[in-house]
Amino acid sequence: SQTIHQWPATLVQPVGSPLSLECTVEGTSNPNLYWYRQAAGRGLQLLFYSVGIGQISSEVPQNLSASRPQDRQFILSSKKLLLSDSGFYLCAWRGGQSNEKLFFGSGTQLSVL
Amino acid sequence: GDSVTQMEGPVTLSEEAFLTINCTYTATGYPSLFWYVQYPGEGLQLLLKATKADDKGSNKGFEATYRKETTSFHLEKGSVQVSDSAVYFCALSGGGNQFYFGTGTSLTVIP
Repeated sequence: SQTIHQWPATLVQPVGSPLSLECTVEGTSNPNLYWYRQAAGRGLQLLFYSVGIGQISSEVPQNLSASRPQDRQFILSSKKLLLSDSGFYLCAWRGGQSNEKLFFGSGTQLSVL
Repeated sequence: GDSVTQMEGPVTLSEEAFLTINCTYTATGYPSLFWYVQYPGEGLQLLLKATKADDKGSNKGFEATYRKETTSFHLEKGSVQVSDSAVYFCALSGGGNQFYFGTGTSLTVIP
């Protein structure tokens, strides 16, 4: 069966420091992968999605970037974190019988201080 | 572009009360519609879905009907329990690869 792993679960970083969040999927090949951010009172915002290795689509301009170096690996990065980057980051992959739904990881709570 | 508008929260109900959380959407074409639930400290998990007009999704006593004429997908449950306390997200998937979510509605059920 398919599983999705996301780490770390919590992270506290100072302003201006770099960021790297990793997400890996097991049990499927060539999945569509997604990064979302959930900020307090702002719901779930789509940040990036990827349909294949090296293919990244960005939904909103921001201080973050994403990369997909391997088929089942999706990385969210920043060179210099801002206070506004704080939030709950969720990775997801698209699957299901008709490839119609998202399966989410357990999330990373990022606090930028 | 495609979007979802969801009823603002938070919502507080007594156990066994009736629940409705409103959701309307804007989309070109014929999207699939979803309700996801997020329990405290966890990621999102799919609650129910509907892929075409007049479909009714149901799970764990929750229901939602895909209404094309009113572009709505309201979530309902006849009798809520304390264990239903969570944040509920309405979402849509259109013809592309994106999934769009509403802002979420926090539900607290008190005994």
